[in-house]
Amino acid sequence: DQQVKQNSPSLSVQEGRISILNCDYTNSMFDYFLWYKKYPAEGPTFLISISSIKDKNEDGRFTVFLNKSAKHLSLHIVPSQPGDSAVYFCAASGLNSGNTPLVFGKGTRLSVIA
Amino acid sequence: GAGVSQTPSNKVTEKGKYVELRCDPISGHTALYWYRQSLGQGPEFLIYFQGTGAADDSGLPNDRFFAVRPEGSVSTLKIQRTERGDSAVYLCASSSSGTGIGTQYFGPGTRLLVL
Repeated sequence: DQQVKQNSPSLSVQEGRISILNCDYTNSMFDYFLWYKKYPAEGPTFLISISSIKDKNEDGRFTVFLNKSAKHLSLHIVPSQPGDSAVYFCAASGLNSGNTPLVFGKGTRLSVIA
Repeated sequence: GAGVSQTPSNKVTEKGKYVELRCDPISGHTALYWYRQSLGQGPEFLIYFQGTGAADDSGLPNDRFFAVRPEGSVSTLKIQRTERGDSAVYLCASSSSGTGIGTQYFGPGTRLLVL
């Protein structure tokens, strides 16, 4: 029973265009959400996070949107660059319930084509 | 500053052997997490330390897996009587806060292959 789902295993985008990566969750106790980027043979690198008290958080080219009623979040990358090509993991935790381990989705492989 | 480091980077062992995987967290981080990532999956939680004590070990798959953090810094994940199904990347992460908003920073992982 997957609590965090990334339904698109892969995504291909032209350089300069917008990349949109989606994530759905089922556990209503989750209140903190993160996106990690992973290159081959490296550990996940933190990208951006959002608390459930917000619906949007922006950091440079990266924006995360949270729709609590739909239990859905998305990561927007604009403009996309070839160096953004990696596997992106969505993760969630229930911080306010005292449970801090992260629950991850299976990841989406983003390919940005020059 | 230095990030999370893990040793060895790769470990090949035979079924039934014992292995130890080491994690050095970011200096000053009180919370330390172990995750396991199998091919095509996201990382899955194993155990979480707050200081020296295991605050949550609910993710350990069975009693062959054990982890310690005796001085509240370095942690060792120990796997007894390894099985082929234990083959995976073992990831360690640390955070400056065990509760509340605390981003987890990951090491490069140890790739374990059990033959």
